[in-house]
Amino acid sequence: EIVLTQSPGTLSLSPGERATLSCRASQSVASDYLAWYQQKPGQAPRLLIYNASGRATGIPDRFSGSGSGTDFTLTISRLEPEDLAVYFCHQYGNSPDTFGQGTKLDIK
Amino acid sequence: EVQLVESGGDLVQPGRSLRLSCAASGFTFDDYAMHWVRQAPGKGLEWVSGISWNSGHTGYADSVKGRFTISRDNAKSSLFLQMNSLRTDDTALYYCTKGGGSVFYYYYMDVWGKGTTVTVSS
Repeated sequence: EIVLTQSPGTLSLSPGERATLSCRASQSVASDYLAWYQQKPGQAPRLLIYNASGRATGIPDRFSGSGSGTDFTLTISRLEPEDLAVYFCHQYGNSPDTFGQGTKLDIK
Repeated sequence: EVQLVESGGDLVQPGRSLRLSCAASGFTFDDYAMHWVRQAPGKGLEWVSGISWNSGHTGYADSVKGRFTISRDNAKSSLFLQMNSLRTDDTALYYCTKGGGSVFYYYYMDVWGKGTTVTVSS
């Protein structure tokens, strides 16, 4: 199965700054079928990005995804306090689906 | 409003069984694949099982294969997970999720329920 490794484990930034989160796959993700989810404290995950760069319905354009093959990035421009959350990547191009271990984003 | 509501979580002893349910509303249930995903306390997400729109295809994580069975009732817009021979490492919050397409592979998960807690302990 594909192992997804997210970095950094924790990211601490100030409002207005830009966050760059990485997700690296142990082998190429078929068709770049990679998604990003946001999980706020005590809540269920929410889909942000699908197919590496498609923005889900209702997601602000501050969130963007990029990458292909084995290296993917979630970028959050102009951080807001409400962006405090854990962010997970998920590959669904190769069976079984797998998730990264998450990046915790702290807002100073 | 699109909604998934899980139920059935409980405290059970190792070796016992439990059946989880998920009630879906706000979308055409029988157009979409569905999944169960779990999250152990303080841990990341683990895909458990998926089922295609018409139950024609199902899939399981190796960790639950042979012990768990996923099913759905499209007439009642409901998803189920029958969990047998439960182990302590099955302890987790179990999420019901909606797939982005009709098959459970090659699609993201675009709607998540709030989860139901399963605790396996003697």
